[in-house]
Amino acid sequence: DQQVKQNSPSLSVQEGRISILNCDYTNSMFDYFLWYKKYPAEGPTFLISISSIKDKNEDGRFTVFLNKSAKHLSLHIVPSQPGDSAVYFCAVSGNTGKLIFGQGTTLQVKP
Amino acid sequence: DTEVTQTPKHLVMGMTNKKSLKCEQHMGHRAMYWYKQKAKKPPELMFVYSYEKLSINESVPSRFSPECPNSSLLNLHLHALQPEDSALYLCASSQEGGLAPYNEQFFGPGTRLTVL
Repeated sequence: DQQVKQNSPSLSVQEGRISILNCDYTNSMFDYFLWYKKYPAEGPTFLISISSIKDKNEDGRFTVFLNKSAKHLSLHIVPSQPGDSAVYFCAVSGNTGKLIFGQGTTLQVKP
Repeated sequence: DTEVTQTPKHLVMGMTNKKSLKCEQHMGHRAMYWYKQKAKKPPELMFVYSYEKLSINESVPSRFSPECPNSSLLNLHLHALQPEDSALYLCASSQEGGLAPYNEQFFGPGTRLTVL
């Protein structure tokens, strides 16, 4: 039973437009949410995080939104750049700090 | 230094070989992790060391043996592996030990392991 779901395996966006990646989770006890980006044959790179006391966190072109009632978070990338093409994993944790990853969404940003 | 480094980058081994993967961080992080990642799958947690002590073993087969010689180093000793153990092995570290909440994990580049 998947506790974290990224329902879109892939997403294609034009350069300069907005990329929106989505993630759903099942357990309301999760209280910390992270996004990682992964290039092929490399380790995941931490991008941005948000705790459950917030509904939005912004860092440059990246913004994470959290909707606790819907158990949903999203990552917005504006404007999208070709270098953003990668696999994006959402991850959640509760009071143990153990990370549970979603299955990943492959983002392709076309020039 | 804000990096987690891993060696070797690639490793090919036979089922009777003994090899070791190494991981190093100099960020003063208190927790270190081993993950396994198969193609098109998310990372799967294997082991967690907190303050140099093994705190979590996610029911990993004994042919994988972790070791934490000091707070900066983490090894994964491999023996009698199977072809299905071929994967990307990732090391990560985080500032707080004890699997504390609100604790980002920072990953190394991984070791691509192939078992023949």
